[in-house]
Amino acid sequence: QKEVEQNSGPLSVPEGAIASLNCTYSDRGSQSFFWYRQYSGKSPELIMFIYSNGDKEDGRFTAQLNKASQYVSLLIRDSQPSDSATYLCARWIGGYSTLTFGKGTMLLVSP
Amino acid sequence: EADIYQTPRYLVIGTGKKITLECSQTMGHDKMYWYQQDPGMELHLIHYSYGVNSTEKGDLSSESTVSRIRTEHFPLTLESARPSHTSQYLCASSEFKQQGVIEQFFGPGTRLTVL
Repeated sequence: QKEVEQNSGPLSVPEGAIASLNCTYSDRGSQSFFWYRQYSGKSPELIMFIYSNGDKEDGRFTAQLNKASQYVSLLIRDSQPSDSATYLCARWIGGYSTLTFGKGTMLLVSP
Repeated sequence: EADIYQTPRYLVIGTGKKITLECSQTMGHDKMYWYQQDPGMELHLIHYSYGVNSTEKGDLSSESTVSRIRTEHFPLTLESARPSHTSQYLCASSEFKQQGVIEQFFGPGTRLTVL
């Protein structure tokens, strides 16, 4: 089992809809989680992080963390075609560890 | 906005050449990383450093080497480039923000093609 699992997609949603991206992890010692957006041919861009159970909102983005169930999700409200990208989930177990990335989920938002 | 730079952005080179990919950051971050990523594929960590004179190999075996003699500079070297080294190379740096949080930023990447 990979440490961070994501459905590769593509996840297709119409413009204006809510896109829900999910990520599961296997290490209960994971401290914090990160969502990156990566456009084709570009480098990953940090969208937001979360380390406490519950929801964290930032503009149209909401990250949700459920440590008991070992999943983290990213909701994108009012999806726009410009949100079409691959979304990478990453987890950090703290200390001198490095981030562990999932393979990413491709999101396609159609006009 | 992250201040992390990579040069060159694109490089096409012949087999057997020695190349160095440059990465520098102006944020004073101690931790720096090199990732390799093929188009449409996952990120693979190939090297990282926790500070000056510190270098470690990542999860993916790589024929490249790195050095860290200045905090802001983390170059990657391939002694003899091969077509199998064709890929995108991403440099990153990070810092602790608070307990439980580390912020990691990526540079724009170098797309390497070895003929």
